[in-house]
Amino acid sequence: DTAVSQTPKYLVTQMGNDKSIKCEQNLGHDTMYWYKQDSKKFLKIMFSYNNKELIINETVPNRFSPKSPDKAHLNLHINSLELGDSAVYFCASSQDPSSYNSPLHFGNGTRLTVT
Amino acid sequence: TQLLEQSPQFLSIQEGENLTVYCNSSSVFSSLQWYRQEPGEGPVLLVTVVTGGEVKKLKRLTFQFGDARKDSSLHITAAQPGDTGLYLCAGDDYNNNDMRFGAGTRLTVKP
Repeated sequence: DTAVSQTPKYLVTQMGNDKSIKCEQNLGHDTMYWYKQDSKKFLKIMFSYNNKELIINETVPNRFSPKSPDKAHLNLHINSLELGDSAVYFCASSQDPSSYNSPLHFGNGTRLTVT
Repeated sequence: TQLLEQSPQFLSIQEGENLTVYCNSSSVFSSLQWYRQEPGEGPVLLVTVVTGGEVKKLKRLTFQFGDARKDSSLHITAAQPGDTGLYLCAGDDYNNNDMRFGAGTRLTVKP
């Protein structure tokens, strides 16, 4: 019954590697997001995506790229991982981001550690 | 600089006490949401406030949206250990329709 699911939950890798985090939602939502939560617990949006438009936060390095094979999936691919990429990455979805009554539904996060 | 400033950053109280946490901004939001996040999990929505001056109650939690729609507060009455968690406020960004989060208030309620 998980609404938004992410895999893996933990990811430990070395600098320079390329890795992907997968996200799936079964809520039928139109928009999906990736957020990064740093060690101070600050949640910062990275991308929002629906079947029409990808909005990228301009501060996100181009080593990060979202891939959406279909409406229910938004995967995050990261190239040439750096130490500063270590954080918890959250996938989220919402039905209609322009609606007041359209909350974000979050996955349980993927804790990425780059060594 | 963060769009939303939350205070206090940390709060540790005894069971049964009352508390208020704040979410402030210089920007006007069309709506503001409060989430609670527990360790190892994603944030979960508590409430959405839309109208300036609006007050919403959720059991022992009272949420208020400022008249100018720039700030909000969360008041918890008779806190319980189960209230422990990270409380996040989030406001919609007019430019992108994306929710922007504050840094959160980490609440610990001791039995």
